[in-house]
Amino acid sequence: KNEVEQSPQNLTAQEGEFITINCSYSVGISALHWLQQHPGGGIVSLFMLSSGKKKHGRLIATINIQEKHSSLHITASHPRDSAVYICAVRRSSNQFYFGTGTSLTVIP
Amino acid sequence: DAGVIQSPRHEVTEMGQEVTLRCKPISGHDYLFWYRQTMMRGLELLIYFNNNVPIDDSGMPEDRFSAKMPNASFSTLKIQPSEPRDSAVYFCASSLINEQFFGPGTRLTVL
Repeated sequence: KNEVEQSPQNLTAQEGEFITINCSYSVGISALHWLQQHPGGGIVSLFMLSSGKKKHGRLIATINIQEKHSSLHITASHPRDSAVYICAVRRSSNQFYFGTGTSLTVIP
Repeated sequence: DAGVIQSPRHEVTEMGQEVTLRCKPISGHDYLFWYRQTMMRGLELLIYFNNNVPIDDSGMPEDRFSAKMPNASFSTLKIQPSEPRDSAVYFCASSLINEQFFGPGTRLTVL
């Protein structure tokens, strides 16, 4: 069993659509990260959350510690948002666990 | 700042050879992470350092892998001897408090 599960695995959306990617985890954590990996391979850290909600531009990340669940939302999606989005959790023991990623394609 | 610098960007070697991957973190960052990414296993954390001290190396696959951080501006990941199953993209990342900044990765192919 994976400690971190993401859904969906693959997602295709029309430009302008509101997108939600989900992450559920089964262990106690000290923080949760959302990463973005572009088709060229580069990885960018989008958010680090330990509670509540964070917003950066069209991206919003939320976390519910009690339910062990986080969501990444993209408003007014654009083709340049096409990437793989990876959820990662960090335990207080300093162990990290990674989801397998959600591959997003936004069609013009 | 130039960001996290990794070298080489691509490495092709033969089974049994020693491979050394290098990383220069962003100046002032006190955490350094080494990751491996494969199609089969996705992204995995191998080891990370805080203030040049290894904190958690539980992700290092086996004794063939070793990592050092002799000073705040340089780290190496060494594989000796290399095997075809070590073929992957190896990322280095550094951070100060929260956000991690990733290097471009080294694509390693072991024939």
